[in-house]
Amino acid sequence: DAGVTQSPTHLIKTRGQHVTLRCSPISGHKSVSWYQQVLGQGPQFIFQYYEKEERGRGNFPDRFSARQFPNYSSELNVNALLLGDSALYLCASSGGGGRRTGNTIYFGEGSWLTVV
Amino acid sequence: DQQVKQNSPSLSVQEGRISILNCDYTNSMFDYFLWYKKYPAEGPTFLISISSIKDKNEDGRFTVFLNKSAKHLSLHIVPSQPGDSAVYFCAASDFIRNRGTYKYIFGTGTRLKVLA
Repeated sequence: DAGVTQSPTHLIKTRGQHVTLRCSPISGHKSVSWYQQVLGQGPQFIFQYYEKEERGRGNFPDRFSARQFPNYSSELNVNALLLGDSALYLCASSGGGGRRTGNTIYFGEGSWLTVV
Repeated sequence: DQQVKQNSPSLSVQEGRISILNCDYTNSMFDYFLWYKKYPAEGPTFLISISSIKDKNEDGRFTVFLNKSAKHLSLHIVPSQPGDSAVYFCAASDFIRNRGTYKYIFGTGTRLKVLA
């Protein structure tokens, strides 16, 4: 079974440009979350989507946006890139919403973004 | 305000010995805890989890202990192997009722080096 897949794996962008990162969740998973990880830090929450609806947003500027498609795949968009946006962007999928004991999220390999 | 803390940035252990990684949290609403292992240039891999209704969960060489009164959890790896050398992140989650989904907070990670 395929895990969480992300594309592209590596990319280099210039300040001020726009980037789109893509993610396909594990088959059957309806929730996708995006995280940013910089060196020396743990993953920082950016967005969560469940059933195509935004369910949570972290403390990131409006330059960051995302969406989830009917097949549960997702895109993360970042506009007007800054040098500080250079990071590993992780997509995670999980079964989704609703309260139940234990809800594990599974990460993809990540997209390494370098802004020059 | 860091709700999940891993106070040891690094740890070195001899092969065959026990590795103990620690994690502290501040929010008593967290009810599910996870450990992830991360190799360089890869996404975090889920390792083991524990619900707040338990105080111990074991999976092969990996055991997670939870002390709710101390708001502390630990990951024990016995015996440690060179392939265990990686960065380990703990994460804590709670259910956000108005979102209908879980929120995850990650620690900053502990780099484990197992010496052959």
